[in-house]
Amino acid sequence: EDQVTQSPEALRLQEGESSSLNCSYTVSGLRGLFWYRQDPGKGPEFLFTLYSAGEEKEKERLKATLTKKESFLHITAPKPEDSATYLCAVQRSGNTPLVFGKGTRLSVIA
Amino acid sequence: DAGVIQSPRHEVTEMGQEVTLRCKPISGHNSLFWYRQTMMRGLELLIYFNNNVPIDDSGMPEDRFSAKMPNASFSTLKIQPSEPRDSAVYFCASSPNPRAYEQYFGPGTRLTVT
Repeated sequence: EDQVTQSPEALRLQEGESSSLNCSYTVSGLRGLFWYRQDPGKGPEFLFTLYSAGEEKEKERLKATLTKKESFLHITAPKPEDSATYLCAVQRSGNTPLVFGKGTRLSVIA
Repeated sequence: DAGVIQSPRHEVTEMGQEVTLRCKPISGHNSLFWYRQTMMRGLELLIYFNNNVPIDDSGMPEDRFSAKMPNASFSTLKIQPSEPRDSAVYFCASSPNPRAYEQYFGPGTRLTVT
């Protein structure tokens, strides 16, 4: 069974304090790993897709990396507007649905 | 584009009542997904459709749950009868096709069953 575990559950940072969120996964035949951002009261918003180990993607202060067992979402010099829940999901080969982790709730304090 | 539209945004109902949630996917998207989100279990896929046909409903928790997609621009998720444990946020998402990596989520319907 495909599994996704995100850590920590919650993270509180001061503005400008860089850190990383972790997504560990177990899936046979990874087709893709996805990062989403979810703001309170809203649906998840797509951020990145990673396809193979060693791949990196960047968007503003966010950088996602992928190994064979986990992915990291690095946040550099975060701002209060980066506060949100970040969700990780995996998809197995074939037309299979995404399996989501429970997310990391990030709070950035000014 | 208006994005994925869901209604109602909030629903409060009593145990035993029928609840119908509605979704309008993004125009041109061929795949539609229904998810349920709770603190305990996170985001769970209930069912998804491709070209209006249900492909995988293994996530539907019980026979009390049913979903339809009568045309490319409308889908419903029905719970009958509702129970307090059904309280959650229900999301609808669409994508251009089932192999597309990006799913676009609606704002969700917060359901409270008392």
